[in-house]
Amino acid sequence: EAGVVQSPRYKIIEKKQPVAFWCNPISGHNTLYWYLQNLGQGPELLIRYENEEAVDDSQLPKDRFSAERLKGVDSTLKIQPAELGDSAVYLCASSDYGNTIYFGEGSWLTVV
Amino acid sequence: AQKITQTQPGMFVQEKEAVTLDCTYDTSDQSYGLFWYKQPSSGEMIFLIYQGSYDEQNATEGRYSLNFQKARKSANLVISASQLGDSAMYFCAMREGGTGGFKTIFGAGTRLFVKA
Repeated sequence: EAGVVQSPRYKIIEKKQPVAFWCNPISGHNTLYWYLQNLGQGPELLIRYENEEAVDDSQLPKDRFSAERLKGVDSTLKIQPAELGDSAVYLCASSDYGNTIYFGEGSWLTVV
Repeated sequence: AQKITQTQPGMFVQEKEAVTLDCTYDTSDQSYGLFWYKQPSSGEMIFLIYQGSYDEQNATEGRYSLNFQKARKSANLVISASQLGDSAMYFCAMREGGTGGFKTIFGAGTRLFVKA
């Protein structure tokens, strides 16, 4: 069974540029998460989807971050414009409702 | 409020020895789940072990076991017979929720170094 797939794996952009990350969850998992992980810290939830609905986006900086999950499968996380402080790892994960969360390999963003 | 505390920023262990990574949690829910994940330098978060709040037996998965002490609100990870490949960051996580949906939070992590 395929795991959570994320792309791109690595991205370097200049500040003020846009960037987008894509995630394909494990087949059949209705819950999809985007986490932000800064160096040396634990993951912090940005947004959680149940099917197509964003049920928890309280930690998503909505002035520059946006996310969508069309058809309740794949998801895209966008940052526009990127700032230096956005340099981090963006982890996508999925679960079968409230069961164990499985993560992708992460998208490593560097803003210069 | 939900909270996970990992008090050990770094731990050293000799190869083939056992090591315990500490985790304490705080929740007002009666139903919750506790998880441990391993994150090697490659960055992927790897699920290791799960313990439900109503499980009476401590969870075990191969060389990993979870020492669950409900009254003390602790969920320590025990790794037996450490291997060089166990060197990584380890995160404790807690899931609680129900009607409001399931919310999972993570601790700050413990970096484990296994010495040859």
